[in-house]
Amino acid sequence: DTGVSQDPRHKITKRGQNVTFRCDPISEHNRLYWYRQTLGQGPEFLTYFQNEAQLEKSRLLSDRFSAERPKGSFSTLEIQRTEQGDSAMYLCASSNTGPGNTIYFGEGSWLTVV
Amino acid sequence: GEDVEQSLFLSVREGDSSVINCTYTDSSSTYLYWYKQEPGAGLQLLTYIFSNMDMKQDQRLTVLLNKKDKHLSLRIADTQTGDSAIYFCADQLMNRDDKIIFGKGTRLHILP
Repeated sequence: DTGVSQDPRHKITKRGQNVTFRCDPISEHNRLYWYRQTLGQGPEFLTYFQNEAQLEKSRLLSDRFSAERPKGSFSTLEIQRTEQGDSAMYLCASSNTGPGNTIYFGEGSWLTVV
Repeated sequence: GEDVEQSLFLSVREGDSSVINCTYTDSSSTYLYWYKQEPGAGLQLLTYIFSNMDMKQDQRLTVLLNKKDKHLSLRIADTQTGDSAIYFCADQLMNRDDKIIFGKGTRLHILP
């Protein structure tokens, strides 16, 4: 078990460009979550999947953001036409369903929009 | 609504105990977590407590949960310089498909 892994760990992009982040959850986990953390704040929930189904999206997730989990394993988070306000750390987490299942976070992907 | 509140800053002398407090509002909590975040790093899971427990101890860490008052605390015994970080309290919500919500974090500063 290698834990939750995220790629890339750091990304600098120009405003207006598209970026995509990938998350590989712990292999037997069926739930996958995306969070965003800006400086001085706690992580904020963006969206989550159970297997390949996207079950909830936060209002923070504007139309420029899209997340997928096509085969119920890894997930991608794409941001189109990036803005400076998108600069943040994007965290992925995974868990199993049912009581007694804790959530494990990856190291995060830092995005800087210049 | 769902909310997790914590004080933003705590200053403690090296060797003393640190107590970081947190309050939450949701009644459907399953687990409550404490995460540690050092500058530029991701979230490190420190410890967690199931909502039907009152206390959990793990080496220098003691978690106390008062479910009636919806109050959670993390005590770090013999605080060391390596404990300097931001500590996040987090609440896992059973009625929201186990989604976790976080507080804004408490920055722990260690005085020599």
